[in-house]
Amino acid sequence: DGGITQSPKYLFRKEGQNVTLSCEQNLNHDAMYWYRQDPGQGLRLIYYSQIVNDFQKGDIAEGYSVSREKKESFPLTVTSAQKNPTAFYLCASRNSGGGQPQHFGDGTRLSIL
Amino acid sequence: ELKVEQNPLFLSMQEGKNYTIYCNYSTTSDRLYWYRQDPGKSLESLFVLLSNGAVKQEGRLMASLDTKARLSTLHITAAVHDLSATYFCAVDRSNYQLIWGAGTKLIIKP
Repeated sequence: DGGITQSPKYLFRKEGQNVTLSCEQNLNHDAMYWYRQDPGQGLRLIYYSQIVNDFQKGDIAEGYSVSREKKESFPLTVTSAQKNPTAFYLCASRNSGGGQPQHFGDGTRLSIL
Repeated sequence: ELKVEQNPLFLSMQEGKNYTIYCNYSTTSDRLYWYRQDPGKSLESLFVLLSNGAVKQEGRLMASLDTKARLSTLHITAAVHDLSATYFCAVDRSNYQLIWGAGTKLIIKP
């Protein structure tokens, strides 16, 4: 079955540590996204990528970094510069062109130790 | 500023009742999406509305789009407990980005 796989499901970060969240899709979608969701809140866009080797900042990119070396993979690094990283992180992908819904992975829940 | 506003943000209702969630948006987009999120889970696509007057139905849920009024509605008919979730609407900002509403938390009591 095609889909989006995020790992790990739960992640704990120590002070001063960088952590990387994995996102892999086998839907052959061009575009991929990272969102942050805080408890009881909506989605905020961190980064997105329209094509391999290219990505753009979203609304809350500070303290995060991404790469897009392969079409199917879009890992997110939460750096030590992100002072409040505790949140639910969602990866999504979408076919190119308009009128296509975004498809979501199951999410990674990140907490500070 | 590009905005998507949902109301109500919280709705508690009895099983068997009907209700409507509203999604107003400020762009000229004619493409609107509805998603469902269960507590602690990811988002699931419910409806894709691509033109003025579009109507989609799935079970007890029906979504419609009025691009002239920049309004979409999600109507719940004879609500059942299993429909308890948070519902989000989103509008295309471009071919790649969406603008998201804040979500409507729906609780359906037996």
